[in-house]
Amino acid sequence: GAVVSQHPSWVICKSGTSVKIECRSLDFQATTMFWYRQFPKQSLMLMATSNEGSKATYEQGVEKDKFLINHASLTLSTLTVTSAHPEDSSFYICSARGLRYQETQYFGPGTRLLVL
Amino acid sequence: QQQVKQSPQSLIVQKGGISIINCAYENTAFDYFPWYQQFPGKGPALLIAIRPDVSEKKEGRFTISFNKSAKQFSLHIMDSQPGDSATYFCAASIGTGNQFYFGTGTSLTVIP
Repeated sequence: GAVVSQHPSWVICKSGTSVKIECRSLDFQATTMFWYRQFPKQSLMLMATSNEGSKATYEQGVEKDKFLINHASLTLSTLTVTSAHPEDSSFYICSARGLRYQETQYFGPGTRLLVL
Repeated sequence: QQQVKQSPQSLIVQKGGISIINCAYENTAFDYFPWYQQFPGKGPALLIAIRPDVSEKKEGRFTISFNKSAKQFSLHIMDSQPGDSATYFCAASIGTGNQFYFGTGTSLTVIP
């Protein structure tokens, strides 16, 4: 149980384009989803927290207009990196917490984004 | 400001040895302490977690020791194996399933 998937697993795009990353909870309903960014050999940096049906709460310093988060259903959240630039290249990871697994967060496998 | 401090940054252990990773926190409101294991290019996977009303929790070769008065907790990996080579993160949160504050990570290498 508690499986979280992400799609795509990696993406390469040109500077200026937008990229959408999907995060799905496969076997439970995720009331809360978290989006993290991780640079090589560094810890996870929380970008935003989203509750189903509500607007996401962004951490200080994270541009909400650049990183659009939608949590429209109990099993799906999306992160859209708008007008991506090379400095947005990173490893993006989502995690989910649900009614069945309230205590902890279960992480997806991550999405590697490379902006050329 | 780092809410959870983790050490060491890297650790090399021989196969069969004990790996010990330490974390310390300041906020006494933290009441949930998980450990995650992350392999390169993968998302973190929950290893084991503890609450402050317990001083130790063991699951297989993995043990968390928790010292509430010292505000410290540690992960012990017994009989370490090369397959345990990964990055380990401790974390802490307040309440159920709220924001996690992660440590900076420990890169563990187990040599045969």
